[in-house]
Amino acid sequence: NAGVMQNPRHLVRRRGQEARLRCSPMKGHSHVYWYRQLPEEGLKFMVYLQKENIIDESGMPKERFSAEFPKEGPSILRIQQVVRGDSAAYFCASSPGSYNQPQHFGDGTRLSIL
Amino acid sequence: GNSVTQMEGPVTLSEEAFLTINCTYTATGYPSLFWYVQYPGEGLQLLLKATKADDKGSNKGFEATYRKETTSFHLEKGSVQVSDSAVYFCALSYMEYGNKLVFGAGTILRVKS
Repeated sequence: NAGVMQNPRHLVRRRGQEARLRCSPMKGHSHVYWYRQLPEEGLKFMVYLQKENIIDESGMPKERFSAEFPKEGPSILRIQQVVRGDSAAYFCASSPGSYNQPQHFGDGTRLSIL
Repeated sequence: GNSVTQMEGPVTLSEEAFLTINCTYTATGYPSLFWYVQYPGEGLQLLLKATKADDKGSNKGFEATYRKETTSFHLEKGSVQVSDSAVYFCALSYMEYGNKLVFGAGTILRVKS
């Protein structure tokens, strides 16, 4: 029973490039959440998606960041024109969406900006 | 707004010592409360949860009780092991807000043999 799969585990980009992070939720889970963990800090909510819909993007920066969860395939978090401050660990979590069901996390993508 | 405050770390204990990591929250209504654990280089794993007042969550010797009167959810373990060394996060969520998690800053636990 595969867990939440994120790839790549590590991603290095130069300033100005694009970063694309992928997340495949657990089987049977239709709700996906993205969180960002800055060094020495806790996780901060970014965006909540269900299949083909963004439900809540209140934690996502208004510029350069976007997320999608298409009908087929993984959820994608995209960061355009990356800057040094985007260096962080990005975690995806999924849940079946039922009341009080906990979220299950992937191992994260560690993004480093040169 | 909703927030979670954890005791600052790192917490350093000898093996078999008693562990308490304090967690308090600020929230309207009745959130669900969670403890997650993060081992180096890995994602978060759910340790335990409680969904209503006076519920006790427990797992692997850890336990925490949802105290509405003190808005707390302190994590305890009677006898820690070296393998418990990790970062522990307290978190809350509301079904009404899509169950997005609000995390505390995390507490580093180091257990020495």
